[in-house]
Amino acid sequence: DGGITQSPKYLFRKEGQNVTLSCEQNLNHDAMYWYRQDPGQGLRLIYYSQIVNDFQKGDIAEGYSVSREKKESFPLTVTSAQKNPTAFYLCASSNTGGNYGYTFGSGTRLTVV
Amino acid sequence: QQQVKQSPQSLIVQKGGISIINCAYENTAFDYFPWYQQFPGKGPALLIAIRPDVSEKKEGRFTISFNKSAKQFSLHIMDSQPGDSATYFCAARYGTGGFKTIFGAGTRLFVKA
Repeated sequence: DGGITQSPKYLFRKEGQNVTLSCEQNLNHDAMYWYRQDPGQGLRLIYYSQIVNDFQKGDIAEGYSVSREKKESFPLTVTSAQKNPTAFYLCASSNTGGNYGYTFGSGTRLTVV
Repeated sequence: QQQVKQSPQSLIVQKGGISIINCAYENTAFDYFPWYQQFPGKGPALLIAIRPDVSEKKEGRFTISFNKSAKQFSLHIMDSQPGDSATYFCAARYGTGGFKTIFGAGTRLFVKA
């Protein structure tokens, strides 16, 4: 079955630690996206990528980094510079243009301990 | 600045009733307006979507009404069922520049049996 796989489902981070969230898709989608979800604030865009080896900052990129070395993979690193990282992180993919919405993964819940 | 304003924040409807969620936008660069449904602990799933050159789209019990001149669109859920209880997000996608999508803050719908 085609889809997006996010791992791990739950992640705990200590203060000052970097952590990497995995996102893999087998839908052959060109574009991939990372969103952060906080209660009452909807989904906010962190980074997005239209093609391999290229990505752009979204609205809340500070304290995050990404890479896009393969079409199928778009990992997100939450660095120690992100002061309030506790949130639900969602990865999505899409074809570009046309009448295409996003396919989302099942999310990673990150908690700072 | 919130580019897609969604209301109400929460909604309680009797089984069999009509659920109505409203959204408004300002940016005319948006070219595609999807709605997503999210259950607790899961990623959002595309429910229904519309292009701005269409005033209404219906899929089963779900209808989008779109008013381009007023820059408003709404989701109507007819014959609401307890299984429809979820969070609903309206969204707007840019037609260029990465096709990124901006989400409303979400509406928590509860359908009483």
